[in-house]
Amino acid sequence: GQNIDQPTEMTATEGAIVQINCTYQTSGFNGLFWYQQHAGEAPTFLSYNVLDGLEEKGRFSSFLSRSKGYSYLLLKELQMKDSASYLCAVRDSNYQLIWGAGTKLIIKP
Amino acid sequence: IAGITQAPTSQILAAGRRMTLRCTQDMRHNAMYWYRQDLGLGLRLIHYSNTAGTTGKGEVPDGYSVSRANTDDFPLTLASAVPSQTSVYFCASSDDEGAGGNEQFFGPGTRLTVL
Repeated sequence: GQNIDQPTEMTATEGAIVQINCTYQTSGFNGLFWYQQHAGEAPTFLSYNVLDGLEEKGRFSSFLSRSKGYSYLLLKELQMKDSASYLCAVRDSNYQLIWGAGTKLIIKP
Repeated sequence: IAGITQAPTSQILAAGRRMTLRCTQDMRHNAMYWYRQDLGLGLRLIHYSNTAGTTGKGEVPDGYSVSRANTDDFPLTLASAVPSQTSVYFCASSDDEGAGGNEQFFGPGTRLTVL
């Protein structure tokens, strides 16, 4: 079966750095996405990785290792507005997205 | 309109009733999707359409039907609602069904409660 694993919840302090991990087992791999979802809102796109390595976009970076079936999202200089759920999704061999359950990130002052 | 709109925002429905959730996008995206999101579970694909005139089944299609008569609209119909269909429903679209880093854009969601 296909499976995406993420921690259910994480807590971090404003101004700090946090790393959210995602491991996956899917039928095929055609890219990995990270989305942010604030409570009661729609998911919004953060990053895309298809090759191994780090993609940096401002305060957010995403890393991929295809051989390990592993990705992480790194958030730097945390702000209160970063409190949200972070969703990992893998595009499989049918080009459909398989979604993890999401990691709820709580930022404390 | 800018992006994707969904209607209604929320709905309480009696079991056994028929219900259509509406979705419209103005980005001229080829591909559209319907997901449901339940607490503790990831988004699950119900149906999708890679282009106008075609549709396909996702992971959880039973009890749902869709149509894609044109590029902009992708309605989702529950023929006879059951309590297990209580969920938040998201419509999404993308520029292509899977090429490159084309991300999916999401509508604001419809919160449906079936009693």
